[in-house]
Parts: sequence; C-alpha cells; structure tokens
Amino acid sequence: DTGVSQDPRHKITKRGQNVTFRCDPISEHNRLYWYRQTLGQGPEFLTYFQNEAQLEKSRLLSDRFSAERPKGSFSTLEIQRTEQGDSAMYLCASSSDSNQPQHFGDGTRLSIL
Amino acid sequence: GDSVTQMEGPVTLSEEACLTINCTYTATGYPSLFWYVQYPGEGLQLLLKATKADDKGSNKGFEATYRKETTSFHLEKGSVQVSDSAVYFCALSPAPGGFKTIFGAGTRLFVKA
Repeated sequence: DTGVSQDPRHKITKRGQNVTFRCDPISEHNRLYWYRQTLGQGPEFLTYFQNEAQLEKSRLLSDRFSAERPKGSFSTLEIQRTEQGDSAMYLCASSSDSNQPQHFGDGTRLSIL
Repeated sequence: GDSVTQMEGPVTLSEEACLTINCTYTATGYPSLFWYVQYPGEGLQLLLKATKADDKGSNKGFEATYRKETTSFHLEKGSVQVSDSAVYFCALSPAPGGFKTIFGAGTRLFVKA
C-alpha cells in the first residue's frame, strides 16, 4: 500500500494560466474524491468518481474546473484561466467503498500570483 | 444540510495534560463519524471512526464516543505529547452509502514540553 500520491506538491502560476494536477489513488480503491482546503478551514468536497464515472460535482466546481478519471485509475483536475481565489490546497482521497474511510494524499498547494 | 461544528483553536496544553476537543454535528439519518489529524505540510490521516450510536473509536490513546442523543463526537486523550501537535478535524459521512465527507473547520493543538 503506497498510499494516495499527488503531483505536483506545489504549483505557482500567474493569474489566467491553466493548471493541471494529478492524483494516483490506492490501487485497489475504485472511489476517488477531490477536495479543496483553504487556510484555517476544513476540506470542502469538489467531486467524486466511482471507477471512471464522475457521479457528483459540487457547486464549488465552476465551469473553469474539470476533472477526469479516464481509465478508472489516476485522476486529473484542471483549472482553466486561474483566478486569485483559486489559491488553495487541493486534496485527493480514495476509498474502497462508500462506507469505508477515505485515505488522503498530501495535496497540491496552488498559489496564484 | 449536514454540518459539523468543532471548537475553535488554537488549544495550547502542556505535555501530559488532558485533551478534549468538542465536536457536534447536524445530519439526517445515521452518519458515520470520524476524526482526522493533519500534520504540517501533510494530508489528512484518519485517527479514529465510529459508525453507529454508542460506538467508541480509539487509536494512539485518543478516543471519541458517538453520542446520538447529544449529536456529539468529542475527541479526548488523557495525556498529550509534543508529537500530538497538529490540526484535528471532526467529520461525518452521511447515512451508509453517502460519498461525501463533511469536515469541521479544524482545531489546532499546540503541546508544549
């Protein structure tokens, strides 16, 4: 069990640029989740995949955000035309089923200049 | 909607002191309850969980009891160590089959030697 891994750990970019983050879940987990965490707050749910199907998206996920999990393994989260308010820690988690706790990666910290 | 409220921090204690971090929740049905811990620069780690009323979760000297009558899940430890310094998040997962974990804002704990 190598845990959930996220890449990159840190991303600094200029406002208006596009960014893409990657998440590799625990290999036998078919459920994958993305959260956003801002300073001093708990994680906020963004979206959820079961295998390759994206089953739920939060209202927090504007049209500039898109997430994919093409083969039901790794996932990517893309933010287009980044804004200052997108600065946050983006966390990925996975679980083996909906009744089991979610295992989190160390996150990607995004800073918008 | 479902929500979690936990005591504001920071909480500062001396080593070997007793710890209580209060957590209350609002949910329909019978959620599962969790405590996660986040060390600096890392993702969230599951500390303990309880899936039904009167269950007691415990791990590493920490424990919490699922109290449905008071909708609470307070975290306790009899003797804290410097290494326990971290941010603690109370969380709930809605009734079995729910995919979204809802987090409290977190409570930062500082333990002084």
